[in-house]
Amino acid sequence: DTEVTQTPKHLVMGMTNKKSLKCEQHMGHRAMYWYKQKAKKPPELMFVYSYEKLSINESVPSRFSPECPNSSLLNLHLHALQPEDSALYLCASSQERIADEQFFGPGTRLTVL
Amino acid sequence: AQSVTQLGSHVSVSEGALVLLRCNYSSSVPPYLFWYVQYPNQGLQLLLKYTTGATLVKGINGFEAEFKKSETSFHLTKPSAHMSDAAEYFCAVRISTGGGNKLTFGTGTQLKVEL
Repeated sequence: DTEVTQTPKHLVMGMTNKKSLKCEQHMGHRAMYWYKQKAKKPPELMFVYSYEKLSINESVPSRFSPECPNSSLLNLHLHALQPEDSALYLCASSQERIADEQFFGPGTRLTVL
Repeated sequence: AQSVTQLGSHVSVSEGALVLLRCNYSSSVPPYLFWYVQYPNQGLQLLLKYTTGATLVKGINGFEAEFKKSETSFHLTKPSAHMSDAAEYFCAVRISTGGGNKLTFGTGTQLKVEL
């Protein structure tokens, strides 16, 4: 299985809602990532988990809360988002070596009303 | 700091023509370089990567790239474009920080293939 899956594919939420994005991989990768991608822009790194521990937080607002329950799962909890947070949220995973490529999921298209 | 620059945000070619997408890197240490492709409303797919060894790297879908240290370049080429190649292409460099390995992307090049 060389796939990263993400659910849901689409999400529409109000600014007062609480929702979660889910990411799963079964490739035995020990590093997992969340990216945010705005239209016509490259992905921007948000968080990196290494061996289920948060290793990089790129100064992301606290309304985004990541969680790594086990080595195969990665969640992104959303609360009190702003309309400018509307974007494609991509999850990726990789082995730990610097030469290893990241495998990306198809993304969750988030719209904040 | 390590970074990549992609020249040309939009490239248009005719079907069957050569595809050339440019990427230059900035790095004080040997870089680990990647090319990814993104089709509309999808995630990113790896085309090829350069780590060490052979400087001409072959990837999927007929793409290849050559690592040129003297020119600090890692341009992506394909001899004959196909309509299905129309997509966004990102060059990226993998860097190591205290917290882990990060992937830094260029700004992307939108490839259009015309009949």
